[in-house]
Amino acid sequence: QKEVEQNSGPLSVPEGAIASLNCTYSDRGSQSFFWYRQYSGKSPELIMFIYSNGDKEDGRFTAQLNKASQYVSLLIRDSQPSDSATYLCAVNGDGNQFYFGTGTSLTVIP
Amino acid sequence: NAGVMQNPRHLVRRRGQEARLRCSPVKGHSHVYWYRQLPEEGLKFMVYLQKENIIDESGMPKERFSAEFPKEGPSILRIQQVVRGDSAAYFCASSKNKNTEAFFGQGTRLTVV
Repeated sequence: QKEVEQNSGPLSVPEGAIASLNCTYSDRGSQSFFWYRQYSGKSPELIMFIYSNGDKEDGRFTAQLNKASQYVSLLIRDSQPSDSATYLCAVNGDGNQFYFGTGTSLTVIP
Repeated sequence: NAGVMQNPRHLVRRRGQEARLRCSPVKGHSHVYWYRQLPEEGLKFMVYLQKENIIDESGMPKERFSAEFPKEGPSILRIQQVVRGDSAAYFCASSKNKNTEAFFGQGTRLTVV
């Protein structure tokens, strides 16, 4: 059984702080890793993807991947109230499907 | 550059009727995934298709549910004889290649009354 684990939260951070979201996965053969943001009542929106060990930065977002530890994280710098949403971690290993975690609810407090 | 298009956005069906959900992937994408989401819950994988082929249907109930992705036209998720428990949001996603990023449509909210 391939699993993707996330802390469900809720995670609350003050505006301007760094939000750190974590995800672990069970399949060592996983090759592709994704972070989606989902606002209540809306569809998931892709915000980051990472394929190689290390860090990948895009604006205020940084994805970090450590395949040895089977761990992927998302950092959101200078958090804004508009970042309040559920963040979904997804992993694709054998190419047959994307395995999603249950999501972490983030609230940014003004 | 149109994204993934799903229709209808909202669908109401009486128990026992059929529901047909359509998904047109991003132009040039040949991989389609269907997911189901209940309120306050995560995304549950249903089926993965490439053009004219079902690759993985391990998440789809064996009865009443079927999916197709024909050579021409959108992917269709079909639910026969719907029951109240089928009420959920159904999302479709597409990707250009396997293992590459997938983009989601706006979803179809199915309500069974």
